[in-house]
Amino acid sequence: GEDVEQSLFLSVREGDSSVINCTYTDSSSTYLYWYKQEPGAGLQLLTYIFSNMDMKQDQRLTVLLNKKDKHLSLRIADTQTGDSAIYFCAETGQAGTALIFGKGTTLSVSS
Amino acid sequence: GAVVSQHPSRVICKSGTSVKIECRSLDFQATTMFWYRQFPKQSLMLMATSNEGSKATYEQGVEKDKFLINHASLTLSTLTVTSAHPEDSSFYICSTGGTYEQYFGPGTRLTVT
Repeated sequence: GEDVEQSLFLSVREGDSSVINCTYTDSSSTYLYWYKQEPGAGLQLLTYIFSNMDMKQDQRLTVLLNKKDKHLSLRIADTQTGDSAIYFCAETGQAGTALIFGKGTTLSVSS
Repeated sequence: GAVVSQHPSRVICKSGTSVKIECRSLDFQATTMFWYRQFPKQSLMLMATSNEGSKATYEQGVEKDKFLINHASLTLSTLTVTSAHPEDSSFYICSTGGTYEQYFGPGTRLTVT
């Protein structure tokens, strides 16, 4: 079945850039998402990208998609302590359908 | 984007009792809602797809008689955990989908003692 993989932990210093990586197996993935989850809270949609795009930038966030390698990354520029959270990569082949999530990457930002 | 609320946000119940969790789409007509479960430090796993006016579709391994889903209106879906056991303790999150985006509720933390 479909699978989404992420590294589990990332630790950076405040002000550095963070890069969180994700790989997926479903070649029919059309929509790919990054969500942020703070402790005890729900999911906050950060950004999404369509499979026909290579890159999307939104303020401090840059998403890169390598469809050939089925690799998605999220870069957070000038990482702040408030960015500390779990970041989930998710995908779906069809808009409006349930998402398949990775296990999440815990980002720890030290000052 | 759409706003999705859940109630209660946190519930503690005794083993053997039933608990109902509500998911409301506040500004979006949701013909379909999704129920996920998240165990501590793990990913979200889809439990079932709730369809307005018809039966829910359950994922493999999810007992439909234990997790009762009702989607009686375009703004409300409910998940009832029947005869809850400690292993049902989890974070339950609902969502509904727009054209491209999925809007998630804030989640319900269920603890079964």
